[in-house]
Parts: sequence; structure tokens; C-alpha cells
Amino acid sequence: GEDVEQSLFLSVREGDSSVINCTYTDSSSTYLYWYKQEPGAGLQLLTYIFSNMDMKQDQRLTVLLNKKDKHLSLRIADTQTGDSAIYFCAESPMTSGGGADGLTFGKGTHLIIQP
Amino acid sequence: DTEVTQTPKHLVMGMTNKKSLKCEQHMGHRAMYWYKQKAKKPPELMFVYSYEKLSINESVPSRFSPECPNSSLLNLHLHALQPEDSALYLCASSQDPGWERSNQPQHFGDGTRLSIL
Repeated sequence: GEDVEQSLFLSVREGDSSVINCTYTDSSSTYLYWYKQEPGAGLQLLTYIFSNMDMKQDQRLTVLLNKKDKHLSLRIADTQTGDSAIYFCAESPMTSGGGADGLTFGKGTHLIIQP
Repeated sequence: DTEVTQTPKHLVMGMTNKKSLKCEQHMGHRAMYWYKQKAKKPPELMFVYSYEKLSINESVPSRFSPECPNSSLLNLHLHALQPEDSALYLCASSQDPGWERSNQPQHFGDGTRLSIL
């Protein structure tokens, strides 16, 4: 079955880089996502990567995908206090019947910023 | 700012009440979703609509009744809920997978925080 694993907490100092890791099991996943959730808010789509890519960069965010090891990471450069949130990794397998399907989320990594 | 709008933001209701949650998007997406999120947990899929037709029901109790009146709107009708149904209810939308059968990125609203007394 599908399973997405990520560590529950990460603590970094302001200004340092944060690296949040995720492993997934479904090799048919076509897209892999990173969502950010601040307290009391919904999920914000931060970035995503298609399975035929191994890296994607978007301003302070860098996503690395190791498809062989089914490992995904999100690097946030120059971490700021506003980056404090829960970060969810999610996979999106190729649809079974050709229609839309839900995402499988990891449990979320709580990013804590130390001053 | 999210492009998926959910109302109300907060809802408190008794176990005998009937209420509805609403979701609207104007991105031209033809797939819409309801997720339930309990505190400190990831979202769990409840329903998927594709081209205004219900395509996935993840064995959700019948006290939750979804409706998709048109391609921009998605409702969730609530009746006789239980205290354990208290949660954040998230709506999402995406483009339909199309011929490639690849799920497209899903865009979420801010959710409705529901409390059952």
C-alpha cells in the first residue's frame, strides 16, 4: 500500500538552511508535493516535482528527488521566523481508473525556528 | 491568498442540527475534493468529484452528504453529526488528470473549523 514517512520535528536557527526529508513507497507516483500549513490555516501548495525530474529550485526552496531510493527532500535557504509551520510531503500515484484521486500525506514535519 | 474559498470559516453545531459547508473555485478546475483533518494529523480524503460527478467516496458515514451543483461549487451537507466529527474540513480542486492519467496539483482552501457540541 501507499505510505509516506517524515520526521515529526525539525529545529533550526534563524538564517540557517532547513532540510526536511520524506520517503514514499508508491513507485507509480507521478507528482510529489510539499505543502505548508500554518496554525489555524489550510494547506498552501509550496512546490511540487514531476517524477521524471531530480531537482527543482524556486527562490529559497530546493526540492531533490531520488527516485531509486524513493526519497524526497525540501531545502529552505536562509530560514526565517515566517517559515515556522508544519510541512507535509504528499504523493500522487497514477490514477487507477483514469480519474482524479486524493493525495497520500505524510504525518507532517513541524519546523521550529530558534532565534 | 487562496483561490479556493470556503465558508464559513468556523461552525459550531449541535448533534441534531443540519448545516452545510461551501467551497468555491474559479480556476476552471474540474476535479474537487473534500478532506477531513483532525488536530496534529494529516488530511484524510473523504470525497472526490470529477466533472460534477461523485467518483470516490472513502466509506464516509451517510451523515456527510456531498453535492456538486456546478463546476465551480462543492457543498458538504451535515446532519446528525457526532462529537468525533469535530475537525478542520478542507476543500481542494485540481485540473482533471486527462489522458495522461496523472493527478494534477491540488489547491486547498483555508478550511472550515467544525465543532460539534
